[in-house]
Amino acid sequence: GAVVSQHPSWVICKSGTSVKIECRSLDFQATTMFWYRQFPKQSLMLMATSNEGSKATYEQGVEKDKFLINHASLTLSTLTVTSAHPEDSSFYICSAPIGQGTRNTEAFFGQGTRLTVV
Amino acid sequence: SQQGEEDPQALSIQEGENATMNCSYKTSINNLQWYRQNSGRGLVHLILIRSNEREKHSGRLRVTLDTSKKSSSLLITASRAADTASYFCATGIQGAQKLVFGQGTRLTINP
Repeated sequence: GAVVSQHPSWVICKSGTSVKIECRSLDFQATTMFWYRQFPKQSLMLMATSNEGSKATYEQGVEKDKFLINHASLTLSTLTVTSAHPEDSSFYICSAPIGQGTRNTEAFFGQGTRLTVV
Repeated sequence: SQQGEEDPQALSIQEGENATMNCSYKTSINNLQWYRQNSGRGLVHLILIRSNEREKHSGRLRVTLDTSKKSSSLLITASRAADTASYFCATGIQGAQKLVFGQGTRLTINP
């Protein structure tokens, strides 16, 4: 089955530094990917839609200069948390719909990245 | 913003019993999906029900959808300890591919 791989699975960084998270579709092409954020024992909050070859679409309240998204190829989207602060500590998850361009399709999720900013 | 709410927030039952979780949503949808998440892991797709469907089965899972009430339920029959996880409903919003997730139900199956 289709697999989405996310890397790293966890990262600890110092406050003020930037962290890049990668999301790859392993056996299918993904022109669209999604980035979510999840706080402990809470649901997933959609942050942005990553579009191959064009700018990402951010959800209301998400700082696009803080969370930089690049989708330079059909199998890779990256999320960079810039100038990270402790409040950015969270679980970040990417997903890609298997039926690209169709509406009734399931999504495959990466394993998630646990970011801790100290 | 969150699309919907799930009920209950937490559910603890004995192995072998059935578990029912409910989900409500607010806007028009293309489909509703259920996902499972083990602690600290990614999500696994369980089942998708389209807006024109009322019921769907997959193994021990049964999902219903009532678009007039904007609600769905997930029934897990003959629960097993391995079913312990968080379960989320997610709605596919009309005109978009993105999914909006409910609050989730933490299910614990006691051996």
